[in-house]
Amino acid sequence: KAGVTQTPRYLIKTRGQQVTLSCSPISGHRSVSWYQQTPGQGLQFLFEYFSETQRNKGNFPGRFSGRQFSNSRSEMNVSTLELGDSALYLCASSLGQGWTEAFFGQGTRLTVV
Amino acid sequence: GNSVTQMEGPVTLSEEAFLTINCTYTATGYPSLFWYVQYPGEGLQLLLKATKADDKGSNKGFEATYRKETTSFHLEKGSVQVSDSAVYFCALTLDAGGTSYGKLTFGQGTILTVHP
Repeated sequence: KAGVTQTPRYLIKTRGQQVTLSCSPISGHRSVSWYQQTPGQGLQFLFEYFSETQRNKGNFPGRFSGRQFSNSRSEMNVSTLELGDSALYLCASSLGQGWTEAFFGQGTRLTVV
Repeated sequence: GNSVTQMEGPVTLSEEAFLTINCTYTATGYPSLFWYVQYPGEGLQLLLKATKADDKGSNKGFEATYRKETTSFHLEKGSVQVSDSAVYFCALTLDAGGTSYGKLTFGQGTILTVHP
């Protein structure tokens, strides 16, 4: 079956702009989580959505937001981009009931210039 | 809070050498523990997991045992191959029907390079 699909794969934005990243989970998965990966901070949890509801949130400023649609696809948005937002953004999907394996997408590489 | 500490990298080995990557954790409660692997240009793949003390996770020749007394989950492989070159992440979650929905806490990652 198809894996987790993230689009776009690469993105270059200017400081102060906003950006929207998309994640399509594996069919039947209802939970989508987002992570930021940087060389300095490693992998950090952003938020998790299940059935269109945010169930958990990491320690990121309000400029980072997300949502989930009825088909479980998820988007995350970053407003007023800063140079430090340059990172690989990974999403992971899982069934969402209790712990089940999280399957990761290939990520979106965001560069802020 | 919860945290995961991995041994400093990078690790460079010759093919067929023995591999150990150390991982220790701090957690409130009883975490489930994981090793993920990230190949160049790809996302993370679950390598193995253990959900309770003394469990041993294993996959593709890799093993790790959940040691509650030493709060450790060291990754081992008896004979590495060039194809094992990747970044390895130790992680934990407290989600087992609890409130840590979807949240994995990761270590910093260890870069492994295996030479022929």
